Amino acid sequence: NAGVTQTPKFQVLKTGQSMTLQCAQDMNHNSMYWYRQDPGMGLRLIYYSASEGTTDKGEVPNGYNVSRLNKREFSLRLESAAPSQTSVYFCASSAGTSGTQETQYFGPGTRLLVL
Amino acid sequence: QKEVEQNSGPLSVPEGAIASLNCTYSDRGSQSFFWYRQYSGKSPELIMSIYSNGDKEDGRFTAQLNKASQYVSLLIRDSQPSDSATYLCAVNGRGFKTIFGAGTRLFVKA
Repeated sequence: NAGVTQTPKFQVLKTGQSMTLQCAQDMNHNSMYWYRQDPGMGLRLIYYSASEGTTDKGEVPNGYNVSRLNKREFSLRLESAAPSQTSVYFCASSAGTSGTQETQYFGPGTRLLVL
Repeated sequence: QKEVEQNSGPLSVPEGAIASLNCTYSDRGSQSFFWYRQYSGKSPELIMSIYSNGDKEDGRFTAQLNKASQYVSLLIRDSQPSDSATYLCAVNGRGFKTIFGAGTRLFVKA
């Protein structure tokens, strides 16, 4: 039981390049999330998915797109990377479909540097 | 005003002491409150959750919630060097919008 896995662990991009961050969970959770963590800012929600086939914007969605490929997988795409997107990206999942009172389980993170 | 505020620290306590971590939040409609621990370079992991006013104890950890004062705290008794980490307060009001504080760094001196 691996929990939440993320690939890649580390990536360097040039401004304007695109990439997709992959996330998968094996806990049969319904909800999945993408966060970014910057120094002094805490975790900020980019997008979330309450169930397979649905996605919604979080606090900082601009410059990102997501796909809930199936119940297990939730990907985050940067179409044209900018230096402001340099951050650590965490994927998380939770069991329910309401978000309330739900513990979130986090993946190991992807460290992204945009030059 | 930030929605969830924490003192960034570092909070330094000697081994065996009680560490007290505090968090205030702005949304009076908040319903769920969480404390996550994050070691340097690692992902957050849940320590405690609390949903109603009062205290909730789990081993060496006690979470305290006061909705009237919009205040939630985490006490760590008998602090150990292995408790040295950043502690994130997270508040959930409605649906999926969980707001995280920036975290308090705790350092436990051996």
